[in-house]
Parts: sequence; structure tokens; C-alpha cells
Amino acid sequence: QLVQSGAELKKPGASVKISCQTSGYTFISYYVHWVRQVPGQGLEWMGIINPSGGDTTYSQKFQGRVTMTRDTIASTVYLELSGLTSDDTAVYFCARRGGRNGIDVWGQGTTVSVS
Amino acid sequence: QTVVTQEPSFSVSPGGTVTLTCGLISGSVSSNYWPSWYHQAPGQAPRTLIYGTNYRSSGVPDRVSGSILGNRAVLTITGAQADDEGDYYCVLYMGSAIWVFGGGTKVTVL
Repeated sequence: QLVQSGAELKKPGASVKISCQTSGYTFISYYVHWVRQVPGQGLEWMGIINPSGGDTTYSQKFQGRVTMTRDTIASTVYLELSGLTSDDTAVYFCARRGGRNGIDVWGQGTTVSVS
Repeated sequence: QTVVTQEPSFSVSPGGTVTLTCGLISGSVSSNYWPSWYHQAPGQAPRTLIYGTNYRSSGVPDRVSGSILGNRAVLTITGAQADDEGDYYCVLYMGSAIWVFGGGTKVTVL
């Protein structure tokens, strides 16, 4: 199970940090993706984190603005996005990488509004 | 410009067959791209349908299937029902720990 933190309202230029608490499996055994969905648009892959070593890969679109981290004690991964603009208003999902490079578990989503 | 291409929309009659495709602007989709498929109902989180080209996720009925046909990945749903409506996304693994979503297909059952 992946449970995300609650909705956020931010001012332009600010940063936001969203959490994704995992449970029911061995935290360090599964990579976690972050995916976002701007209102009325499709799903967009932002990047992935390896909870074991903390190594990350980010979509080129978000390079320089995104940071994914993890807390192995809390079994939680985090997404931080800086330099927010109204274009970052979206629902952000964490999702577990499953077998054969698929996604097998999704968080419920966190709404971030920038205004 | 989305590298991974999907039909913008698809309409089907109840009981009919849904056939959605997932391609690349440049090149052919093969099993090496580990295509996966997701269904998103309005206001909901996505639900995983197919991964690794043709493996059904837990709880997905066998009327849902995935394949490669020609140069595209294909999602087939037979016996379409009202709750099959929604948006369908394919995802391709591009290598080097990079995944890319297609633009999605809006499916209407009418």
C-alpha cells in the first residue's frame, strides 16, 4: 500500500514536498516512480528512486527542479519540486515498480495547487 | 510532441471489442520496451491492467489482453462494459531507467 500526504496550496516560486508512505512489503526491494497529471491532461512520468541506495533518475523535463529522496526507517519516499509555477498545478502519484518494468501499486494521489 | 503514440479516442458498443495501440514516433515497439497498460476512471488513480507486454495484473479479467502486433503494442478488451469507459495509458520502458507514458486514449462505451 502507498499512502500519500494531503493536498498542498503553494505560491508561485515556492517549493513543495510530498510524501509517499509504503507498507505491506520490504521497502528497499522495490523502486518507486513519481507520476503527475495536470488537470485535463494525461499521465506524465517524472522520475524514479531506488529506496535501497537512494539513486534516482529524473525525466529531463524536471531536471534541476525535482528531488526524490527516501527515509528507510519510515519506509517513505519523498518528492520535492521547486520553482513552482501555475503549470505545476497537478495531481502527483507515487507508484511502485513491479515485475517486468510495470507499475503494480499506485498511491491515491496528492493535489498540488499553485496560485 | 509525445514520443509514445496512442489513439486520442475510441468508441465501442456494449459487448464489442476494444483495440488500442501504442507506438513510437520513431521506431517499432517490441517486448524489449516492456509495454504496460493502465486504466484510469474519472477522478481515480490509475489501475494496472497489463505489464511486460502480456501479463495481466492481479484481479484483471481474462477478457483483457496485451500483445505486440507489427510495430505496436496492443491492448484488447473483449465484451466491453460500461465500467470499461475511461482513459487508457500505455507506458514504455526506454532503457537507462527512463519510462515514458503515451498521451492516452479516451474510451467511450455507447
